[in-house]
Amino acid sequence: QKEVEQDPGPLSVPEGAIVSLNCTYSNSAFQYFMWYRQYSRKGPELLMYTYSSGNKEDGRFTAQVDKSSKYISLFIRDSQPSDSATYLCAMSAWIKAAGNKLTFGGGTRVLVKP
Amino acid sequence: DVKVTQSSRYLVKRTGEKVFLECVQDMDHENMFWYRQDPGLGLRLIYFSYDVKMKEKGDIPEGYSVSREKKERFSLILESASTNQTSMYLCASKVEGNYEQFFGPGTRLTVL
Repeated sequence: QKEVEQDPGPLSVPEGAIVSLNCTYSNSAFQYFMWYRQYSRKGPELLMYTYSSGNKEDGRFTAQVDKSSKYISLFIRDSQPSDSATYLCAMSAWIKAAGNKLTFGGGTRVLVKP
Repeated sequence: DVKVTQSSRYLVKRTGEKVFLECVQDMDHENMFWYRQDPGLGLRLIYFSYDVKMKEKGDIPEGYSVSREKKERFSLILESASTNQTSMYLCASKVEGNYEQFFGPGTRLTVL
């Protein structure tokens, strides 16, 4: 069983819809949670960062973490065709150490149709 | 502007060849990472370096080695390429103690 599970999609939605993405994980030591966005033929770029449980909002994006359920979510409101990309969740147990690593989900491909 | 560059976007090599993938960052970051990305598996860490001449194995180091002689440059070496090393290779860097990793555009390596 993978340490971080993420539905690969593709997830196809009409423009303006809410996109809902999620990841489940098994390592209870994870406390730093990130979402990366990766456009085709590009490297991933950090979209959202959350520490421990709770919600975080940034414009059209909301990240939620439920540590009791080992479940994290990313919501994209008023989705645009430019949101079409692969979204990767990533998490870490210990951020300050130089060698601390991120554990990534497999990524969900999202397509927003005009 | 933050910049991580990788030496090649696409590379085709033959089984048994020695392959060098280079990564350069211009942000004076202490930490650098090499990942491979395969469909459905996400990014898996091969090696990382927390400073010049320092390296640590990641989750899948077998068949790979690395070199970091200068702070800005981190090289991934496939000593004898095999077909199962066909993949997208991504380099990343970050400031020591920060959480955000900055990624390069990737090198798609095909081993025939």
